Amino acid sequence: GIQVEQSPPDLILQEGANSTLRCNFSDSVNNLQWFHQNPWGQLINLFYIPSGTKQNGRLSATTVATERYSLLYISSSQTTDSGVYFCAVDERGGSEKLVFGKGTKLTVNP
Amino acid sequence: KAGVTQTPRYLIKTRGQQVTLSCSPISGHRSVSWYQQTPGQGLQFLFEYFSETQRNKGNFPGRFSGRQFSNSRSEMNVSTLELGDSALYLCASSSSPGATDTQYFGPGTRLTVL
Repeated sequence: GIQVEQSPPDLILQEGANSTLRCNFSDSVNNLQWFHQNPWGQLINLFYIPSGTKQNGRLSATTVATERYSLLYISSSQTTDSGVYFCAVDERGGSEKLVFGKGTKLTVNP
Repeated sequence: KAGVTQTPRYLIKTRGQQVTLSCSPISGHRSVSWYQQTPGQGLQFLFEYFSETQRNKGNFPGRFSGRQFSNSRSEMNVSTLELGDSALYLCASSSSPGATDTQYFGPGTRLTVL
């Protein structure tokens, strides 16, 4: 099945800093989503982005499907951005389920 | 539009018992998927229901089962609980089957098995 690798596994920032999270995947995908898991466990959908670039406020994401990677950019980070960020994909012609990476744990200090 | 709701939010059970978790999808969504999250295995797919039919099943034992009702609400059941079933159980709602469309997750049910 498809493999999803996220980097870095841990990231510590000062408030106001920018960051880039990366997601590599091993095969073509129908679906790629970025999620933020808050301290209470809920997965918040950030982007549905199997290809192209999207922006939402301080967050933006780019997926280069031909090179099998996606990037999540967080600008001017805030303490409320802390949590775990997951990339999840659905393999094209595959198992029709989301396969999750192990996540990037982001800590933003005041 | 209301989001995905899951009940109960927390559960404590003992080994050998059974448990039923409930998920109500976003209004109009007919696909409900279930995932288990543990520190060791991460997020793993359990099964998906669409229009009351199970479309897909992950690699879990038969103790894990589910169903979907005509109003798209879904339940999952775990029988003969084991310590390793302690986890956060998340359900996701979508308008299309097969994880090809945006998945919206509920707040989860945290199950502790003693």
